[in-house]
Amino acid sequence: GAVVSQHPSWVICKSGTSVKIECRSLDFQATTMFWYRQFPKQSLMLMATSNEGSKATYEQGVEKDKFLINHASLTLSTLTVTSAHPEDSSFYICSARIGGTGTWGGYTFGSGTRLTVV
Amino acid sequence: AQSVSQHNHHVILSEAASLELGCNYSYGGTVNLFWYVQYPGQHLQLLLKYFSGDPLVKGIKGFEAEFIKSKFSFNLRKPSVQWSDTAEYFCAVNVYKLSFGAGTTVTVRA
Repeated sequence: GAVVSQHPSWVICKSGTSVKIECRSLDFQATTMFWYRQFPKQSLMLMATSNEGSKATYEQGVEKDKFLINHASLTLSTLTVTSAHPEDSSFYICSARIGGTGTWGGYTFGSGTRLTVV
Repeated sequence: AQSVSQHNHHVILSEAASLELGCNYSYGGTVNLFWYVQYPGQHLQLLLKYFSGDPLVKGIKGFEAEFIKSKFSFNLRKPSVQWSDTAEYFCAVNVYKLSFGAGTTVTVRA
């Protein structure tokens, strides 16, 4: 149980274009989803927290206008990298909190999206 | 804000050797602690977690970790590693959000 499906698993795009990454919770409702970025050989860095029906909360240093997050339903959150540049090339991972208040079970992670901007 | 420190960047060992990966965190209050593993080309998987209770936590694949509150540590151990344990290992601490350590690359030689 508690599976998060992330698509696409990899994408190559041209510089200046936008790319959308989707994360779906398959067998549970995810009121909160998290978006991470992972550079090669480095740890996961939290980019933003998205709550269903409200604006995302971005971590310091993350450009809100560049990384658009939408969490319109309890099972879907999307990250759109706008006007992508080669420096945006990275591994993006979504995560969802498992369980609610009093039953929190940690987090489950999507399989990640490898974005390459050429 | 909490931070997580993993002592070893890269560990190389032979099959059947014992493994211990260090993890320290900086936060004085109640924390939830995790160890995740990322096999090559795969997504993060939970090895084990500590929320409360017995500080010695057993996880999947023969891994265990010990929470020592006085040392702010949550070290991961496995008595006898296998080649298939080659992966990246991340310690993570949750207070208001999940923060990851830099990760430790473990290479097990057959």
